[in-house]
Parts: sequence; structure tokens; C-alpha cells
Amino acid sequence: DGGITQSPKYLFRKEGQNVTLSCEQNLNHDAMYWYRQDPGQGLRLIYYSQIVNDFQKGDIAEGYSVSREKKESFPLTVTSAQKNPTAFYLCASSTGQGSGELFFGEGSRLTVL
Amino acid sequence: GESVGLHLPTLSVQEGDNSINCAYSNSASDYFIWYKQESGKGPQFIIDIRSNMDKRQGQRVTVLLNKTVKHLSLQIAATQPGDSAVYFCAETTSYDKVIFGPGTSLSVIP
Repeated sequence: DGGITQSPKYLFRKEGQNVTLSCEQNLNHDAMYWYRQDPGQGLRLIYYSQIVNDFQKGDIAEGYSVSREKKESFPLTVTSAQKNPTAFYLCASSTGQGSGELFFGEGSRLTVL
Repeated sequence: GESVGLHLPTLSVQEGDNSINCAYSNSASDYFIWYKQESGKGPQFIIDIRSNMDKRQGQRVTVLLNKTVKHLSLQIAATQPGDSAVYFCAETTSYDKVIFGPGTSLSVIP
């Protein structure tokens, strides 16, 4: 089945540790995205990538890093510089044709202890 | 009723035809989109509308765009308890950059 796979679904880490969240898609989509969602809140854009080896900062990129070495993969690293990393992280992809129709994964819930 | 503040605005409605509203700020957006998010899951695309259109119909849903007052609405026909979820409007602020609004929690009472 085609889709977006995020892993892990749940992750616990100690303060000061970097964490990498995985996102893989087999939809052959050009564009990929990372959003953060806090309880009872909307989605805020962290980073997005329109093409391999290129990505742009979203509205809350500080404390996060990404890479796009392969079309199907867009991992997100939550660094120790992110002051409040506990959140629900959502990865998405799109055809990259500007329509805004995103296909989302099931999310990764990160808790920093 | 509707509440605002730190929590998502909430609409509690009876079964039947209902509407969710959204205000946007960027006049240059090319597409406006509605998503539905069920608890613990990623959002799902419902319908979109291009900025040069006023209305678009889908299966049981209609999206209306009023550019004069920068207002977007999602009309859901025959709303059922299974439609209870959080609904987000979103816009493409530049090519491929998709920004989401704050969302509305819809609760459909049988």
C-alpha cells in the first residue's frame, strides 16, 4: 500500500539528547513536510522540502534540523537547542504541484522527561 | 456553543446540515484547503478550492470562498456523530508552503 510511514510512534527521551524522527513515503511525491502539533492546538510548519537535496525553514525551525538525501525520506532531528520539544510531530507529502493537498503519516509523539 | 482561548474553538451541533468557518489573512494564497483530524491521527484532506473560484462541491461537502472579507467556510450536509473531529482550514502561502489555521473542534450530537 502507498503511504507515509512515521517511526517511532512514541518516543521518550531525556533533556539534552538529540532525537531523530523517521518519515518515509512510497507515493513518489516530490514535496515533504514536518509539522508540530501541541495539545489542543493547530499545526505549525517546521521545515518543508520541494525536491531532493533542498529544503526550506517553516515558521518554527529553530532547534530542528532536516535532510533530504533521498526522494522518499525526510528525517527530522529534534536537537537539544529546542526548548520545548514535547509534542506530536506530523510528516506529510504532496505531489509538489502547489495545490496544498497533503498526505499525512500517523504521527510521532515525543515526550522529553 | 463556541469558545475561544487556549483551547480550540468548539462547535456542538445537532445532526443535520452544518457549517464551519475560517478567516484567512493572506490575499496572495493560491489554494485554500479543508482537513479533518480524528483523535491521535494525522489530518485527512477533505476538499480544496482555488483562489479564482467562489464555490466547490464534493461528496457531502461544499467549500465557499469569499475573498472580499477573506472568509472560507465548509458546509457539511447531513452531519452525523461520525463527523465529530477537529477541522482545519489551510492555505498555500507560496508554492508548496502549506500553513494551517487554528482549527475548530466539531461535536455532533445525535
